[in-house]
Amino acid sequence: TQLLEQSPQFLSIQEGENLTVYCNSSSVFSSLQWYRQEPGEGPVLLVTVVTGGEVKKLKRLTFQFGDARKDSSLHITAAQPGDTGLYLCAGASNFGNEKLTFGTGTRLTIIP
Amino acid sequence: DAMVIQNPRYQVTQFGKPVTLSCSQTLNHNVMYWYQQKSSQAPKLLFHYYDKDFNNEADTPDNFQSRRPNTSFCFLDIRSPGLGDAAMYLCATKTWVESEKLFFGSGTQLSVL
Repeated sequence: TQLLEQSPQFLSIQEGENLTVYCNSSSVFSSLQWYRQEPGEGPVLLVTVVTGGEVKKLKRLTFQFGDARKDSSLHITAAQPGDTGLYLCAGASNFGNEKLTFGTGTRLTIIP
Repeated sequence: DAMVIQNPRYQVTQFGKPVTLSCSQTLNHNVMYWYQQKSSQAPKLLFHYYDKDFNNEADTPDNFQSRRPNTSFCFLDIRSPGLGDAAMYLCATKTWVESEKLFFGSGTQLSVL
């Protein structure tokens, strides 16, 4: 069974601070995705990373895929209250594989 | 416009009373998934369809059944809901050919009294 552990599980910081969320596994993934989920809604895809070492930026969010494709990080610069939500990483073991393995989630709260 | 639609948004049922949750999609995607998500936890895959091929996860209880009468619709039937089945149920779709991206519905929050 492939497991994705996210850390921290909960994070509460002040508006304007920077933060990093980690997603780790002992398994290799062909691709890894990050989702954000707001209360009462389904997860929404933020980014997909495919190549080991790949870095993608989405405004103030920076995503990195580990060189060995076993881990990933999400860095947020100058966090804003709108960044509040549950952040989920999800890995696919093979391209086109029907199943994603979701991480344990990080609940982020940005305090105005 | 919503592309994956789940009805109802909130469902209350009684212990042991069968309940059906529905999902429809306008994306014509091959693959449809049902996930169970308990409070602040990661979504847990219950089963998925690739077209009409049904794939059950090994640890999905027999209490959970599913139907996919056509490409657009998929149903989750809980035959005898227990208190532990109270959760958000998420439907998602994906096209087999393209990327790994899942399109999620807004979910149905199920309460069991």
